[in-house]
Amino acid sequence: EVQLVESGGGLVQPGRSLRLSCAASGFTFGDYGMNWFRQAPGKGLEWIGLIRSKTYGGTTDYAASVKGRFTISRDDSKSIAFLQMNSLKTEDTAVYYCVRPGYNWLPEGYFDHWGQGVLVTVSS
Amino acid sequence: QSVLTQPPSVSAAPGQKVTISCSGSSSNIENNYVSWYQQLPGTAPKLLIYDNNKRPSGIPDRFSGSKSGTSATLGITGLQTGDEADYYCGTWDSSLSAVVFGGGTKLTVL
Repeated sequence: EVQLVESGGGLVQPGRSLRLSCAASGFTFGDYGMNWFRQAPGKGLEWIGLIRSKTYGGTTDYAASVKGRFTISRDDSKSIAFLQMNSLKTEDTAVYYCVRPGYNWLPEGYFDHWGQGVLVTVSS
Repeated sequence: QSVLTQPPSVSAAPGQKVTISCSGSSSNIENNYVSWYQQLPGTAPKLLIYDNNKRPSGIPDRFSGSKSGTSATLGITGLQTGDEADYYCGTWDSSLSAVVFGGGTKLTVL
């Protein structure tokens, strides 16, 4: 069974940093690209970015709203994806989801496995 | 403002049919596959439809998807109270090099 478990959320002050982790199990993590999404309170889903598998270069793409502040990385030896968030703003307050795509060769395709989400609150 | 446009809400009676539209452009819907997600209150989204019209295993055939040009549609027949949820469409935008989603549609089963 595919499982994605996010951790690392919490309350953080504006301007500070936070790193989220996503522990994956139930599939060959290194074969898949991984995505991060977020959902602000009462709002819709927003894609943050993705990291491709090493087979496809391990490259990343980001939404314009977080480019330059957020960085996605991965540790295939531990089956963990990371979301490093710097220069946090109050508008980054949201539930953050780690998401696996359905196709291992198309990380931006469709998304069939979602973590339970972790809440990040940016407030002074 | 979402790149893909969905109606904020739709409603119908139990047993009836409803459709949810998702409007985009040539850089997203027209030239890429569309997927649909159901989000029940307080839970993570769940995949309903992928590659425009395919259902994952376990999704009942009451749910269907279609695409024509720059628009996609999710259909739900035989509505049940348990279908009350937010529904989102999503796809890749080749111009933005980004995954884009609609703003979501809240389904109420009256």
